[in-house]
Amino acid sequence: GEDVEQSLFLSVREGDSSVINCTYTDSSSTYLYWYKQEPGAGLQLLTYIFSNMDMKQDQRLTVLLNKKDKHLSLRIADTQTGDSAIYFCASASGSARQLTFGSGTQLTVLP
Amino acid sequence: ETGVTQTPRHLVMGMTNKKSLKCEQHLGHNAMYWYKQSAKKPLELMFVYSLEERVENNSVPSRFSPECPNSSHLFLHLHTLQPEDSALYLCASSQDQGADYGYTFGSGTRLTVV
Repeated sequence: GEDVEQSLFLSVREGDSSVINCTYTDSSSTYLYWYKQEPGAGLQLLTYIFSNMDMKQDQRLTVLLNKKDKHLSLRIADTQTGDSAIYFCASASGSARQLTFGSGTQLTVLP
Repeated sequence: ETGVTQTPRHLVMGMTNKKSLKCEQHLGHNAMYWYKQSAKKPLELMFVYSLEERVENNSVPSRFSPECPNSSHLFLHLHTLQPEDSALYLCASSQDQGADYGYTFGSGTRLTVV
């Protein structure tokens, strides 16, 4: 089955850019997603990218997809303390296109 | 509110108790999901319902019993749980079983088994 991997932790200074990376194994993945989870809350969909795209930008968020290397990244520009959360990468694959999630990256924004 | 509401938010139960988790969505979606989120582990898909029929059960122990009476409501009935079942249980919904536009998640029920 599909496997999605992320590094567990990332710390950045307020105002810097954050880059969260993700790799996946299923080359037939159609959509790839980034979710954000704040403490005590469920997962909130931040953005998604279709597999025929290389890049998608949405305000402070930029998603880059390298389909050849099966690598996805999320860049957050001008990172703020409110961006501190766990960020999950997810891939939709298989005939049912169900989501497979990574373990999540805990982003800590330092003042 | 996200459009997917889960109750209760927190639940403490003994190993001999029976309790139920409830999920309700008002998004007009026709697929609903239960996920288990344990510390330092990936999200685990437990059950998938599409058009009120269970289409997937990922080897979940029988002490967890889902119920989907209609497309807006999903329950997870719990009985004789173990301490290792303590986790955040997340409900999600989507339009059609495919995830093309992502899933909408509830805030979860934090379950503690004592």
